[in-house]
Amino acid sequence: AQSVTQLDSHVSVSEGTPVLLRCNYSSSYSPSLFWYVQHPNKGLQLLLKYTSAATLVKGINGFEAEFKKSETSFHLTKPSAHMSDAAEYFCVVIPMGGGATNKLIFGTGTLLAVQP
Amino acid sequence: NAGVTQTPKFRVLKTGQSMTLLCAQDMNHEYMYWYRQDPGMGLRLIHYSVGEGTTAKGEVPDGYNVSRLKKQNFLLGLESAAPSQTSVYFCASKTGTETGELFFGEGSRLTVL
Repeated sequence: AQSVTQLDSHVSVSEGTPVLLRCNYSSSYSPSLFWYVQHPNKGLQLLLKYTSAATLVKGINGFEAEFKKSETSFHLTKPSAHMSDAAEYFCVVIPMGGGATNKLIFGTGTLLAVQP
Repeated sequence: NAGVTQTPKFRVLKTGQSMTLLCAQDMNHEYMYWYRQDPGMGLRLIHYSVGEGTTAKGEVPDGYNVSRLKKQNFLLGLESAAPSQTSVYFCASKTGTETGELFFGEGSRLTVL
């Protein structure tokens, strides 16, 4: 069965330090992977996506993620956190053949806190 | 450029009451979805639609009904609200491509007393 696991429910960093949000997936085939961000009282917004092209994917606001098939991981990173990065982040996997219907699989989210 | 608009944004119901949430998108997207978001559980799919006049059940459909009479609108109904349906509801839409981006509304916060 396909699944996605976000390894940390909460992450706290200081402003200006690196951010690492971890995501592991389980999929029989090479999946498409997404990171979405949700700011308080807002809907989710796409940060970046991997769709079998370059394994290092750059997104908005300085975020990037690397697809590592051997580790079944798609961790999200940013070199230097900003106060505005405080939000909840969701890793999403779309197994092959599942994108258009109901088979988008959401992780349970990682709440990122940024301390001044 | 509105994107995905949900109404109402907030609602309080008593157990047994009914209500409808409206989702409207102006991007001519084929696919539309209703999710609920509960703490620690991520987003769970309630119902979805792959085109005008079509609907299908998602992961947690019980207690909800939907309709897609027009391509741009996707309605979520609760016939007899229960406290377990207290949640934040999100509508989303996307194009027909498999890896197309989901566009979300800002959510509707429903409390059932």
